[in-house]
Amino acid sequence: DAMVIQNPRYQVTQFGKPVTLSCSQTLNHNVMYWYQQKSSQAPKLLFHYYDKDFNNEADTPDNFQSRRPNTSFCFLDIRSPGLGDAAMYLCATSREGTSGSYNEQFFGPGTRLTVL
Amino acid sequence: AQRVTQPEKLLSVFKGAPVELKCNYSYSGSPELFWYVQYSRQRLQLLLRHISRESIKGFTADLNKGETSFHLKKPFAQEEDSAMYYCAPPPGTYKYIFGTGTRLKVLA
Repeated sequence: DAMVIQNPRYQVTQFGKPVTLSCSQTLNHNVMYWYQQKSSQAPKLLFHYYDKDFNNEADTPDNFQSRRPNTSFCFLDIRSPGLGDAAMYLCATSREGTSGSYNEQFFGPGTRLTVL
Repeated sequence: AQRVTQPEKLLSVFKGAPVELKCNYSYSGSPELFWYVQYSRQRLQLLLRHISRESIKGFTADLNKGETSFHLKKPFAQEEDSAMYYCAPPPGTYKYIFGTGTRLKVLA
């Protein structure tokens, strides 16, 4: 009954070689998030989609892009990975409340990216 | 920015001892705060949200507006509570930033 699925779980790429990480959800949530988590650090939000609206964090490098073709899927594209981009990438979803309160996020297991 | 601060990176307690993981927030208005937990080799998951005022796995957290805190407490720690704990503001807010996290180690 996996709810937020990330593929692959482990990804190895070469310096400068584009890579795409994928996330899918079975929760029908309207918001999807991408986080970067480096070793011993808290997750750092890169961007999120509120429905089809893309919201980029101000300090997210241009090297990181995202696509959300439909409600269920969201992709993280790293155009030219550098050694500093090696990290765990987490996808999360939430249902943005209409009552003014916020709901919990459901996280995927993450994709560990290695850059050689 | 709606920020939360977790002053302790590591907290070690003995089994059966009380636990308090600190979280302070620094924004005005009525905050809605969450505690997330990450057990070893498991995904990040919700532990508590302040609005529900419930107890999960023996943990509680009370929002103290006077002290701008949302500390996580448990009267008797168990070894299975060893994990990474993150305090977080609600998603979708401007400059949404997780707390830096506190690693809890419960010693036998």
